[in-house]
Amino acid sequence: QLVLTQSPSASASLGASVKLTCTLSSGHSSYAIAWHQQQPEKGPRYLMKLNSDGSHNKGDGIPDRFSGSSSGAERYLTISTLQSEDEADYYCQTWGTGIGWVFGGGTKLTVL
Amino acid sequence: EVQLVESGGGLVKPGGSLRLSCAASGFTFNNAWLSWVRQAPGKGLEWVGRIRSKADGGTTDYAAPGKGRFTILRDDSKNTLYLQMNSLKSEDTAVYYCTTGDSYGTDWGQGTLVTVSS
Repeated sequence: QLVLTQSPSASASLGASVKLTCTLSSGHSSYAIAWHQQQPEKGPRYLMKLNSDGSHNKGDGIPDRFSGSSSGAERYLTISTLQSEDEADYYCQTWGTGIGWVFGGGTKLTVL
Repeated sequence: EVQLVESGGGLVKPGGSLRLSCAASGFTFNNAWLSWVRQAPGKGLEWVGRIRSKADGGTTDYAAPGKGRFTILRDDSKNTLYLQMNSLKSEDTAVYYCTTGDSYGTDWGQGTLVTVSS
């Protein structure tokens, strides 16, 4: 079964960096994912597509502070020089033939 | 600039029906694969289903919760995506978003709230 696992919460200080993790279920470590940001009371915003080799394609206007990387079944989103507007929920998402789209449970990022 | 504007949400009784619309602009609508994603209050994102472009067959896929009750339609002449929801249940209460993309959502609307309650 294709499942994405995310920690429910994370926190980091203003100006610091944070690395969020999304873990693919067993047997699916080659899958690409997408990262989405959802600020409070807003619709989601596409950040990037992240491949298993760590290469990624960011959406239009996504700052360089946002980057992605991969290791095995783990997919990471690193946000550097945290700003207050980065406080949001972050979702990873993947897709499978005959399965459709699958979302992780989301990570709520608090900027201290 | 891509714009997706959902409408049609509201309060509906269990067992009732509702049709959501998503008006699109800023991209070639008839080439796009489009999806509906929902978010129950205080919960995460859940894929509802998608429709392929007519060039790719115009076929639909649905997640299990809506299969047999929900129908996704598109009108390329109006650049509009629809979600017809029948036999609504309380667990369908959510904000419904439309989004573009075949494998993942690249542009998103602001959503429309559907509340199923007696």
